[in-house]
Parts: sequence; structure tokens; C-alpha cells
Amino acid sequence: RKEVEQDPGPFNVPEGATVAFNCTYSNSASQSFFWYRQDCRKEPKLLMSVYSSGNEDGRFTAQLNRASQYISLLIRDSKLSDSATYLCVVNVRGSQGNLIFGKGTKLSVKP
Amino acid sequence: GAGVSQSPRYKVAKRGQDVALRCDPISGHVSLFWYQQALGQGPEFLTYFQNEAQLDKSGLPSDRFFAERPEGSVSTLKIQRTQQEDSAVYLCASSLAMNQPQHFGDGTRLSIL
Repeated sequence: RKEVEQDPGPFNVPEGATVAFNCTYSNSASQSFFWYRQDCRKEPKLLMSVYSSGNEDGRFTAQLNRASQYISLLIRDSKLSDSATYLCVVNVRGSQGNLIFGKGTKLSVKP
Repeated sequence: GAGVSQSPRYKVAKRGQDVALRCDPISGHVSLFWYQQALGQGPEFLTYFQNEAQLDKSGLPSDRFFAERPEGSVSTLKIQRTQQEDSAVYLCASSLAMNQPQHFGDGTRLSIL
């Protein structure tokens, strides 16, 4: 079983839609959580960190449930430019800071 | 620019050849990571440096993989006797310190024929 699991998609949604991605992680020692965005043939870029209390950045809302070891990302009012692969990422306590990535969920926003 | 720079951008090699991939981190960044990303997968950790010290190489898939950062700045990932399964994008990331946000380079896309 992979340490970080995501639905690979693709999620095909119309502009303006709300879309949610889910992710589960298996290591209870995971201490930091992130969503990264990766465009085709480009490097991963940090979208947002995920905090226990949940956090929002514009149209993006991230939630963390430590008890269920579950992370989510909600995108409201989808834009064409949101089309990308969204990577769920964790960092484990006691590690050197290396990130553990899920396979990613592909989002395609259509006009 | 001031970001992480990797070279070459693309590398094609025949099976059995040795290759060397370079990473130039952001100036002043102490931590440097190498990741391997196969097609359709997320990046997977290979190795970590703090300055010139290689503190974790648990992700290196075989002893054909070797990384160094002799002066605590530029790093080189070397793959000896390449195999087809080594074909992947090799990503380098740096951060100001351990557990600080990592900034990724564009990667080197390696194809082994």
C-alpha cells in the first residue's frame, strides 16, 4: 500500500464548477501536509500547506483530519487555468524533511 | 533567475552508459533533495544533503546511483550503467533549512534507449 493515496482522476469539470480532491496517508507519524500543483512537463509547485484547523486561500480550501488520516482540497469557481495535476504531499516526523508524494489527481477544466 | 537550475533539461543515453545530472540550488539554501518521477507517478525521494553532508540516501534504488555535493552548493546525481527503468524525470529541490518549503527545479528528463 502506498503511503499517500489519491484518486488519479481525471476530473473533467466545466468552468465555474466546484471540485473536491481527497487523499489518505498511512503513516501516523506524518506531521506536515501540503497540496502541490504540477503542470504538464513542469516542476511541482507548492499550492498550499494544510493545517489542522483547515485553511483557505482564495478559491482553494484545504482540510486535514488527523484521526482519519485524510486530507482534502476544494476548488471553487474553477478556472481554465486550474487545469493541472494536484499532488497530495506529506512529511514524516523524524525524517530529514523529504516529501512523500501521492500519484496526483488530474484536473481538466473545460470552457 | 534565482530559482533552482538543473541541467541538462533533456538527456538521451544508450543502455549501459553513465550519465551525470546537475543541480544548482538557490543561493544560501542549506538543504538539497533529489527526487525521481516516473511517468504518471508522483515524485519519489532519492537522497538528501545538508550542506555537503549526504544525510539520507535511503531512496537511491541501487548502487548504480551516486550523488554528491562537495562544496555544499551544486550537486551532481550520477547514474552508472544505465538501464531502461532509469528513464524518468529527475527533480532537484532546495530549501533554506530542513523542513522549510522546498523549491523545485524544472527537472532533467532522462530517456534510456
